[in-house]
Amino acid sequence: GNSVTQMEGPVTLSEEAFLTINCTYTATGYPSLFWYVQYPGEGLQLLLKATKADDKGSNKGFEATYRKETTSFHLEKGSVQVSDSAVYFCALNDYGQNFVFGPGTRLSVLP
Amino acid sequence: DAMVIQNPRYQVTQFGKPVTLSCSQTLNHNVMYWYQQKSSQAPKLLFHYYDKDFNNEADTPDNFQSRRPNTSFCFLDIRSPGLGDAAMYLCATSTSGSSYNEQFFGPGTRLTVL
Repeated sequence: GNSVTQMEGPVTLSEEAFLTINCTYTATGYPSLFWYVQYPGEGLQLLLKATKADDKGSNKGFEATYRKETTSFHLEKGSVQVSDSAVYFCALNDYGQNFVFGPGTRLSVLP
Repeated sequence: DAMVIQNPRYQVTQFGKPVTLSCSQTLNHNVMYWYQQKSSQAPKLLFHYYDKDFNNEADTPDNFQSRRPNTSFCFLDIRSPGLGDAAMYLCATSTSGSSYNEQFFGPGTRLTVL
C-alpha cells in the first residue's frame, strides 16, 4: 500500500538557519505530493504541492521538488523564522479521495 | 472567504455521554472527511462522504457515526465517548476525481472526556 515516511523530529534550529525536512514515499501509481503545516491548536494548512515529477512547489519561502527517481519530496527553507515553528506533514494523494499522511515533524525555531 | 468551519472549537463531555461535533463548508466541495488526531500525530481518517455516499474506514469504531444532511454540513456523533476518544477532530473537504486536489481543513474541535 501507499505510505509516507518523514524524518524524526523534533527539529530545533536557530533563527535564519537552513531547514530541510526529508520526506519519501511509496505509491503504486503517480501521486500528487503535498506539504501541510499545523500551528499549535489549529487545523492543517496546505503549504505547497506538486502534481508530477520534477515539479517544484513553493510558498512563503518554502520549496519542495517532486523527485520520482528517489521517491522524495524534501521540504527546504533558506532562512527560518520563529513564526515557522509548527508541525509539518508530508502527504500524498494517489488518485481519488483519500490522502496518506506522514507522521509529522515538529520544528522549533529559537530566536 | 470560502472556508471550512468547525463548531465548537472546544468540547467537554462526560464519559459515556453522547456528543456531536459539526462541520460546515462554503467551498461547495462534494467530498467531506472526518479525521481524529492525537498529540500532533498524523490525522487518522475515520470516514468520508463522496456526495451522499458514506465510506467508513475498516478500523473506525462503531462508537463513531456521521451524518451529512446536505452538501454544506457534516456531523460527527460519538455515541458513548471513552477516555481514549479525547483528541482533536478535524473536518476536511475536497473536490473529487483527481489526485491533484488538496484537502482543505477546518480549525478542528478539541474534545475532552471527563
